[in-house]
Amino acid sequence: DFVMTQSPDSLAVSLGERATINCKSSQSVFYNSNNKNYLAWYQQKPGQPPKVLIHWASTRESGVPDRFSGSGSGTDFTLTINNLQAEDVAIYYCHQYYSIPRTFGQGTKVEIK
Amino acid sequence: EVQLVESGGGFVQPGGSLRLSCTASGLTFSVYWMSWVRQAPGKGPEWVANINQDGSERNYVESMKGRFTISRDNARNSVYLQMNNLRADDTAVYYCARDLAWFDYWGQGTLVTVSS
Repeated sequence: DFVMTQSPDSLAVSLGERATINCKSSQSVFYNSNNKNYLAWYQQKPGQPPKVLIHWASTRESGVPDRFSGSGSGTDFTLTINNLQAEDVAIYYCHQYYSIPRTFGQGTKVEIK
Repeated sequence: EVQLVESGGGFVQPGGSLRLSCTASGLTFSVYWMSWVRQAPGKGPEWVANINQDGSERNYVESMKGRFTISRDNARNSVYLQMNNLRADDTAVYYCARDLAWFDYWGQGTLVTVSS
């Protein structure tokens, strides 16, 4: 199985500053034939299901603010939240869909400093 | 507006069974793969199983093969998860989700508690 490891487990960022979350896959999620990374990022707030923010590692979902961006390739990926807002307080998960079983990272909790 | 509504969760003793249902609206249900994803208290999501458009292809996480069965009824816009021989570590909120490979629509989930 692909093991997804996120870092850090939690971080506190001041309003308006940048939050950076890392995700490392135990195997590459890059598919050569279509040049795509099979990785998504989700945001989860208490009492709610996860909400997808980004797929194909860097494609933002419709309606997601452009302060959220994804980058990386192969085994190493980053979710960046610029200009952190109060409503961004949540747990963030990376998810690989390259292989069955689909697997998620353990989550990174983002709080306001 | 796409809506996914799960039902069928509850309290069950170890070794018991439950059948979860998820009914979809606001989408052409029969053209999409569907997945079940669960989340234990305080833990991250865990993908459970998925099923293709006509039900001819199903995938499961290894630890649930033989105990869990995913199925669907396109006439009822519904996907199901039959769970047998439940264990305490199956306690979780179970979500159904539209499966585009990533999961773009999720229900609100149904809580399954396995305890003696």
